[in-house]
Amino acid sequence: LAKTTQPISMDSYEGQEVNITCSHNNIATNDYITWYQQFPSQGPRFIIQGYKTKVTNEVASLFIPADRKSSTLSLPRVSLSDTAVYYCLVGERGGSYIPTFGRGTSLIVHP
Amino acid sequence: EAGVAQSPRYKIIEKRQSVAFWCNPISGHATLYWYQQILGQGPKLLIQFQNNGVVDDSQLPKDRFSAERLKGVDSTLKIQPAKLEDSAVYLCASSLAHRDTTPLWGNTIYFGEGSWLTVV
Repeated sequence: LAKTTQPISMDSYEGQEVNITCSHNNIATNDYITWYQQFPSQGPRFIIQGYKTKVTNEVASLFIPADRKSSTLSLPRVSLSDTAVYYCLVGERGGSYIPTFGRGTSLIVHP
Repeated sequence: EAGVAQSPRYKIIEKRQSVAFWCNPISGHATLYWYQQILGQGPKLLIQFQNNGVVDDSQLPKDRFSAERLKGVDSTLKIQPAKLEDSAVYLCASSLAHRDTTPLWGNTIYFGEGSWLTVV
């Protein structure tokens, strides 16, 4: 069972870079790491996914070290609209993949 | 591309009453999920279907919750009788395929906006 650990909350200010780290010591060889974003009153939304090294898209970057036991979501120059809960997911070991969410990291961006 | 559709959006019922939620996944998505999200917590998986078969329902309170996915497309989640602690958002989600059918897991899960249930 690939359990994840994230900080419960983080605070930042507009224009800053925010890095949220997720620990997943039991990640399996075939597992990907995926981050979701959830705004109040909405379902979670996919933001980025990776397997190793670095992945970048128009929204964020994902840094994964060689041992893959952790990953860091990087949000460049956050704005107020980035205030949300961010969840880190990894694949479950075993015959079936069952997407399991933890409590996530509540990011509050201040003016 | 249309997203995951859910209804009703909001529902208020008294305890011991019943309620049903409906979900229409993204066209072509084989896997469908129902999650329960209590305020301040992450989504908890209740049941996962692949086509019309159940992959996992280990966290579904089967004495009061039931779900079905007839014909492998739409799904309904029913609660009968409802308890106060069932007050939550019920999220439906879908993904293209199941891990066992792909070499490496890379499926993105797409969520609906949720059905908000208040039990009074």
